[in-house]
Amino acid sequence: GAVVSQHPSRVICKSGTSVKIECRSLDFQATTMFWYRQFPKKSLMLMATSNEGSKATYEQGVEKDKFLINHASLTLSTLTVTSAHPEDSSFYICSARNPGLSTDTQYFGPGTRLTVL
Amino acid sequence: GNSVTQMEGPVTLSEEAFLTINCTYTATGYPSLFWYVQYPGEGLQLLLKATKADDKGSNKGFEATYRKETTSFHLEKGSVQVSDSAVYFCALIPYSSASKIIFGSGTRLSIRP
Repeated sequence: GAVVSQHPSRVICKSGTSVKIECRSLDFQATTMFWYRQFPKKSLMLMATSNEGSKATYEQGVEKDKFLINHASLTLSTLTVTSAHPEDSSFYICSARNPGLSTDTQYFGPGTRLTVL
Repeated sequence: GNSVTQMEGPVTLSEEAFLTINCTYTATGYPSLFWYVQYPGEGLQLLLKATKADDKGSNKGFEATYRKETTSFHLEKGSVQVSDSAVYFCALIPYSSASKIIFGSGTRLSIRP
């Protein structure tokens, strides 16, 4: 199997606070994980690629100091939204590659809905 | 650049109707093409894929054929069920990128009993 979980599924925070979202691969080791943002009725937008043991690679236009990514183990990547503002409210989705199954298939978590008041 | 365009929803059909969700792409070279499905409250799941021209991906009664001449990857199913209600995303991975998926905007499908 290739199951990816995210925690929390839903979070509400005050403006100016930081929020951490966890992404875990439950039954496989993922050297690479991806973080996406999904706006209402819009497509998923890749934010960054998270590599275990090294710095994340951010897409153009994504602030690395705002969206901190840590991939400390082969089964866990975290996304921290620092000093959150209402415009950061969105649906954040992670995915992971299982190199043992396929090199081009990503397995997605259920997503985390962030609301910043 | 690389992009994916799919028909806007929502699409509402009666059970056992024929389904087509159009998807066209722009890419250099030969991308891999995918359809992902997102059921209510769940993450995206890979539905099917095709990696070269004229390949047909199929799964759970859904099919899509990689058409290079028309740069299309339309999703079809002969007889839909209520359980097929979900959001469907067409996507591609460019030839030059091992993993970077580019998604279409998604099409919400609702099936009436």
